[in-house]
Amino acid sequence: RKEVEQDPGPFNVPEGATVAFNCTYSNSASQSFFWYRQDCRKEPKLLMSVYSSGNEDGRFTAQLNRASQYISLLIRDSKLSDSATYLCVVNERNQGGKLIFGQGTELSVKP
Amino acid sequence: NAGVTQTPKFQVLKTGQSMTLQCAQDMNHNSMYWYRQDPGMGLRLIYYSASEGTTDKGEVPNGYNVSRLNKREFSLRLESAAPSQTSVYFCASSGQEGVTEAFFGQGTRLTVV
Repeated sequence: RKEVEQDPGPFNVPEGATVAFNCTYSNSASQSFFWYRQDCRKEPKLLMSVYSSGNEDGRFTAQLNRASQYISLLIRDSKLSDSATYLCVVNERNQGGKLIFGQGTELSVKP
Repeated sequence: NAGVTQTPKFQVLKTGQSMTLQCAQDMNHNSMYWYRQDPGMGLRLIYYSASEGTTDKGEVPNGYNVSRLNKREFSLRLESAAPSQTSVYFCASSGQEGVTEAFFGQGTRLTVV
C-alpha cells in the first residue's frame, strides 16, 4: 500500500463547478498535512496547510479526518486558472520529517 | 530572493557516467530533500536530511548517494547513471522537520541515454 494515495483523475470540470479531491495516508503517526499545486511539471508550490479543525482560504477548503486518515480539498467556483495537478503531502515527523507526496490529481477546468 | 537553487537545469548523460546535482538554500532551513518525478507519477522521495550532518533514505534510494555538505547545501550523486534514472529531479527545503512549508528548486531534467 502506498503511504499517500490520491485519485489520479483527470478531473474535467466546467468553469464555476465545485470539485473535491480526496487523499488517504497510511502512517497514523503523521503530524502535518498539506496541499500543493504543480503546473506543467514545474516545481510544486504550497496551496494550503491542513489543520485538524479544517481551514478555508477563499474558494479553497481543506479538511482532515485523523480517525479515517483522510484529507480532502474542495474547490468552489472553479476558474480556468485552477487547472493544475494537486498534490497531497504528509509529514512523517516521527521519521525525522519525511515529506511524502501522493501521485497527484490532475484538474482541467474548461470554459 | 534566491530560495532554493538547483544546478544544472538540464543534463544528458551516457549510461555509466556519473554526475552530481547541486542544491543550495538561503532560508536557513534545517530539512532538505531530493525527489524524482516520472511521467504520471507524483514526487518520490530519494533521500532527505533532517539537519546538517544527517541523511536518511527515502522511498527510492538505490543508485543514488547524497551529501549534506553544510546547512545550506545538499547534493545528489549518480555514480553510474542508468536509463531508468531519466527523470525530473527536485530539491526542496523546509524548516522544523517539514512542519512548515517546503520550498522547491526549479528542477533538473536529466536524460540518460
